[in-house]
Amino acid sequence: EAGVAQSPRYKIIEKRQSVAFWCNPISGHATLYWYQQILGQGPKLLIQFQNNGVVDDSQLPKDRFSAERLKGVDSTLKIQPAKLEDSAVYLCASSLGNEQYFGPGTRLTVT
Amino acid sequence: KQEVTQIPAALSVPEGENLVLNCSFTDSAIYNLQWFRQDPGKGLTSLLLIQSSQREQTSGRLNASLDKSSGRSTLYIAASQPGDSATYLCAVTGSNYQLIWGAGTKLIIKP
Repeated sequence: EAGVAQSPRYKIIEKRQSVAFWCNPISGHATLYWYQQILGQGPKLLIQFQNNGVVDDSQLPKDRFSAERLKGVDSTLKIQPAKLEDSAVYLCASSLGNEQYFGPGTRLTVT
Repeated sequence: KQEVTQIPAALSVPEGENLVLNCSFTDSAIYNLQWFRQDPGKGLTSLLLIQSSQREQTSGRLNASLDKSSGRSTLYIAASQPGDSATYLCAVTGSNYQLIWGAGTKLIIKP
């Protein structure tokens, strides 16, 4: 069984630029999550999808972050414009029941 | 509101020692508890998952216990090796199947 795929693995951008991350969940997993993990902290949930609908985006900074899950499969997370404090690892996870499976993450550095 | 705490924040021990990492949570209404390993700048590797009805899980040199009534879990690592050096995170699954995370314990095993 293929795992959760994410790309790119690393990204370096300047502040005020835009960036997009892509996630392909495990086949058949209805629920998809995006997390932000700042160095030295646990992951913070940004958004949770159930199929192509949003379950929870209460911690998503909507003035600059957006996410979509068209057709209930792949998902993209976008930041526009980026700030220095957005430097973090962005993790995607998917689940069918109560266990989440994580991708390798995208490490974003904003300079 | 569920809160997860991990103590200690950092731990350094000589190779070969047995060690215990601690995780506590404030709300016993959980579906499960997971222990993860994270290497610097990398994604998350799930080590052990304990369902709410279980008391412990074992995998190789790792043993995790769960006491829901007291809101505690421990991760026991036997005969530690330098390759065990990483950050260990615990997370509980609560409502909406969302994970609530601790901040992690950074473990260093000295050769």
